[in-house]
Amino acid sequence: DVKVTQSSRYLVKRTGEKVFLECVQDMDHENMFWYRQDPGLGLRLIYFSYDVKMKEKGDIPEGYSVSREKKERFSLILESASTNQTSMYLCASSLRSGLRDTQYFGPGTRLTVL
Amino acid sequence: DQQVKQNSPSLSVQEGRISILNCDYTNSMFDYFLWYKKYPAEGPTFLISISSIKDKNEDGRFTVFLNKSAKHLSLHIVPSQPGDSAVYFCAAPYSGNTGKLIFGQGTTLQVKP
Repeated sequence: DVKVTQSSRYLVKRTGEKVFLECVQDMDHENMFWYRQDPGLGLRLIYFSYDVKMKEKGDIPEGYSVSREKKERFSLILESASTNQTSMYLCASSLRSGLRDTQYFGPGTRLTVL
Repeated sequence: DQQVKQNSPSLSVQEGRISILNCDYTNSMFDYFLWYKKYPAEGPTFLISISSIKDKNEDGRFTVFLNKSAKHLSLHIVPSQPGDSAVYFCAAPYSGNTGKLIFGQGTTLQVKP
């Protein structure tokens, strides 16, 4: 059974704090993704990684960075959290065998920045 | 530029009736489309897909129709069940073989018993 896990389901942080969101997949997938979901905006891609130590900016990378030191783990970092980063964060993974590969999602982290 | 659009934020139908969720796209280079379903407090899960060489793909109660000339696709659920109540996202792969997807805004479906 495929599995993508995220370190926290709910997180409350203060403005200016450094925030780490962790994602682990056990499917040996090459691709990993970080999205945020906001009402009326759907899922927007923040960052994408297609291999260890490789990353690519998505549509809304400002204020975020990522780290992928191991194939199974992809971390999203908010260097200095702001209230407009309050959102649902979703991690996903997929094989890199072709563009039609299904993405598998974790359960999400609801982040509130006060 | 929103290349994949779901213009109806919500839809409410009676149990047993048909649910039709719509999606429009602007990029004529898109050749594959996916629908994902998301329950509250869970991640999206893949539901059904369609290639642009087809105009219809069916999987049980779920059918996706593609109208390339109109750049429009729709997801039909027949018959609708209360357990289908969720947010539905349509998506298309970015150009190039990257594995990245562009998602629509989502439509919240409520199926009333």
